[in-house]
Amino acid sequence: RKEVEQDPGPFNVPEGATVAFNCTYSNSASQSFFWYRQDCRKEPKLLMSVYSSGNEDGRFTAQLNRASQYISLLIRDSKLSDSATYLCVAGHSGGFKTIFGAGTRLFVKA
Amino acid sequence: SQTIHQWPATLVQPVGSPLSLECTVEGTSNPNLYWYRQAAGRGLQLLFYSVGIGQISSEVPQNLSASRPQDRQFILSSKKLLLSDSGFYLCAWSRDLAEAFFGQGTRLTVV
Repeated sequence: RKEVEQDPGPFNVPEGATVAFNCTYSNSASQSFFWYRQDCRKEPKLLMSVYSSGNEDGRFTAQLNRASQYISLLIRDSKLSDSATYLCVAGHSGGFKTIFGAGTRLFVKA
Repeated sequence: SQTIHQWPATLVQPVGSPLSLECTVEGTSNPNLYWYRQAAGRGLQLLFYSVGIGQISSEVPQNLSASRPQDRQFILSSKKLLLSDSGFYLCAWSRDLAEAFFGQGTRLTVV
């Protein structure tokens, strides 16, 4: 079983739609969580950290559910420029490993 | 501010040839360093990580090796490349469990 699992998608949504991604992690010792965005043929870039209390950054909201071991990302009012692959990340101190999910592809259409 | 440099950006190598990819970090000390590989259309596979000079942990058995000769230098090597080694190689650094920052990647094609 992979340590971090995501639905690969793709998610095809119209502009203005709200879309949600979930990600599950298997290591209960995971302590840090992030969402990254990766554009085609580019390196991943940090989108936002995920805090236990949940956090919001503009149109993006991240949630963490430790009991069920999943994190989520909600994108409101989708823009064409949101089209990308979204990677969830869980890190734990066992060797300071940072584990990435395989990513969820999002296509926002006009 | 911290920066990470990775080179070359693209590389075409014949099967059986050696490989050396270099990654350096500036503006921080004792970073955790990572090598990932991403096959076309796939996710990031963690290959190696290092928490200090000379300390390398390998995640998957493979044709590759890594070394950390200096605090902020991380090298990915192979003695003989295979076709299956083709992919997008990414170096990254982080502090403890904080977010990881990536280099721009090396797109390797083995022919």
